[in-house]
Amino acid sequence: DAKTTQPPSMDCAEGRAANLPCNHSTISGNEYVYWYRQIHSQGPQYIIHGLKNNETNEMASLIITEDRKSSTLILPHATLRDTAVYYCIVRIYSGGSNYKLTFGKGTLLTVNP
Amino acid sequence: GAVVSQHPSWVICKSGTSVKIECRSLDFQATTMFWYRQFPKQSLMLMATSNEGSKATYEQGVEKDKFLINHASLTLSTLTVTSAHPEDSSFYICSVRTSGNWEQFFGPGTRLTVL
Repeated sequence: DAKTTQPPSMDCAEGRAANLPCNHSTISGNEYVYWYRQIHSQGPQYIIHGLKNNETNEMASLIITEDRKSSTLILPHATLRDTAVYYCIVRIYSGGSNYKLTFGKGTLLTVNP
Repeated sequence: GAVVSQHPSWVICKSGTSVKIECRSLDFQATTMFWYRQFPKQSLMLMATSNEGSKATYEQGVEKDKFLINHASLTLSTLTVTSAHPEDSSFYICSVRTSGNWEQFFGPGTRLTVL
């Protein structure tokens, strides 16, 4: 019951910016958008999260549209080591003080030399 | 971010045996722990959520008597796959979160192969 839609795959040239889109048109007002990535046969790695403002950290930038129905993860200077499956996730409240992250199929980003 | 370890990193067992997988939060008080599994070429599927000292909450379709979860402390959770069968072969990944913290950290995963 993932609430996000992502393209299955994308390619990017090394050194260029990688822009990964995500559609979350049914997001509720208090639900956060999270981005993780998974390199083959490893556990997912946290990248960034946001509610409605754009966010930036040392790994990436997250741009969320004003209506919050979509977002874009930006890797400013992609390297070969950024090749991974990128997951856009809407964090869902699951009762009490609990939230859960439900993974969709993600986008396989391939960074080419 | 938090350091999360899993042990073993891979295990091969015979059908019908039970396998225990440990998840440790090395520098982080994990008030909530999650267990996921991932079949080849598929995404992660949440199996259960556990809060320290409480019984785990299982996702629909996950058998609680087959996948026993113990979260006895803020740094350790175990998943026991009882009477494992070949269809239980998968990549099992734990994840930790502390209350009031936005981030959820994942372990490196355990690959289980049941012969």
